[in-house]
Amino acid sequence: EVQLVESGGGLVQPGGSLRLSCAASGFTFNSYWMSWVRQAPGKGLEWVANIKQDGSEKYYVDSVKGRFTISRDNGKNSLYLQMNSLRVEDTAVYFCARAARDYTKLNWFDPWGQGTLVTVSS
Amino acid sequence: DIVMTQSPDSLAVSLGERATINCKSSQSVLYSSNNKNYLAWYQQKPGQPPKLLIYWASTRESGVPDRFSGSGSGTDFTLTISSLQAEDVAVYYCQQYYSTLFTFGPGTKVDFK
Repeated sequence: EVQLVESGGGLVQPGGSLRLSCAASGFTFNSYWMSWVRQAPGKGLEWVANIKQDGSEKYYVDSVKGRFTISRDNGKNSLYLQMNSLRVEDTAVYFCARAARDYTKLNWFDPWGQGTLVTVSS
Repeated sequence: DIVMTQSPDSLAVSLGERATINCKSSQSVLYSSNNKNYLAWYQQKPGQPPKLLIYWASTRESGVPDRFSGSGSGTDFTLTISSLQAEDVAVYYCQQYYSTLFTFGPGTKVDFK
């Protein structure tokens, strides 16, 4: 069974840092682009970042550039999101999502993890 | 960036009636090299991650009931639920994957009338 399990969310003060993890199983992790997508409370979906199979390409939404870093460890089948200089507006559920097709950048997302909640508040 | 809009923001439909959701992109998401529209639809219920319904604008994901259908091309797309069932109450999102900077529509909430 293909599965994505996020962890690392929590409460952090503005300006603080947090590292999210996503553990993947049930598929060949190093064959797929991976993404982080977030959803603020009561709001819609916002793609945050993605990373190529070998980590050689990374893309970010403008609002997190320079503050967030996406990375992966193919030996551990894991995806990460290092979040620095956090702002109140970064408060959201963060989902890990896999590209639907292997070795292909332009993709819909399937499957998705259950998400982990990040709350930025003083 | 490609901006996605959806209409209406919400709609209330009677059980068994048709629900129609519109999605518009700020530029065409039709790739000329393969004549495919890079547009997907998702369903999200409270407390759950999004669930893929449709990709390539009109290809139904395996296991998705055939009352769900997608249509459209270029910049204008539609998701239709032909006969609303109780379990279809949810928020529906469109997403473009034409550009690496993926973007979603703001969502349409579907409820019972």
